[in-house]
Amino acid sequence: GNSVTQMEGPVTLSEEAFLTINCTYTATGYPSLFWYVQYPGEGLQLLLKATKADDKGSNKGFEATYRKETTSFHLEKGSVQVSDSAVYFCALSDGVTGGGNKLTFGTGTQLKVEL
Amino acid sequence: DAGVTQSPTHLIKTRGQQVTLRCSPKSGHDTVSWYQQALGQGPQFIFQYYEEEERQRGNFPDRFSGHQFPNYSSELNVNALLLGDSALYLCASSPGPRGSGNTIYFGEGSWLTVV
Repeated sequence: GNSVTQMEGPVTLSEEAFLTINCTYTATGYPSLFWYVQYPGEGLQLLLKATKADDKGSNKGFEATYRKETTSFHLEKGSVQVSDSAVYFCALSDGVTGGGNKLTFGTGTQLKVEL
Repeated sequence: DAGVTQSPTHLIKTRGQQVTLRCSPKSGHDTVSWYQQALGQGPQFIFQYYEEEERQRGNFPDRFSGHQFPNYSSELNVNALLLGDSALYLCASSPGPRGSGNTIYFGEGSWLTVV
């Protein structure tokens, strides 16, 4: 079955530091890949997505590239801010066999950015 | 344009009771999915409704049931509540059940505490 593995947190960084959160996946077919962010006490917000190999998703300074050869979708940001403190979830949606729009999530990585 | 709305936001139930959670999808979306997010975990797919029928189901017991109405809104029912059912229940909507590249929007969630 489908699965997503994320690096464990919490990750603590100083403001303006470089961020990488690793994500690898196992899936049948050709999944779409997503990063969602969850701020304290809130629901999930889509951060970025990529729907095919070598696509790069980007939003608010965050980027992730869909690497089929390494089955990875690592999240990066060049300079984090305190306001980026949240939990980040990597997820996939497998369109094969009608499974589209069903998301499989990783366990989440908590990011804490300090001044 | 209203996003995905859920009610209630918080509720406390006693073990053995039944609960109903409600969701209105984003305008233009006809597919609703429900997820359970335990504390410190990623969301887990419960089931998906499209055209008023359950289309996909995750690994959840029959105590979890749902319904979709002609206006696309949905309910999640949980019977015989267990302490382990305490979680954040997230509703998600999308424009159609297929197509893994569709952006899936989440509501703020309903926090259920079972005591």
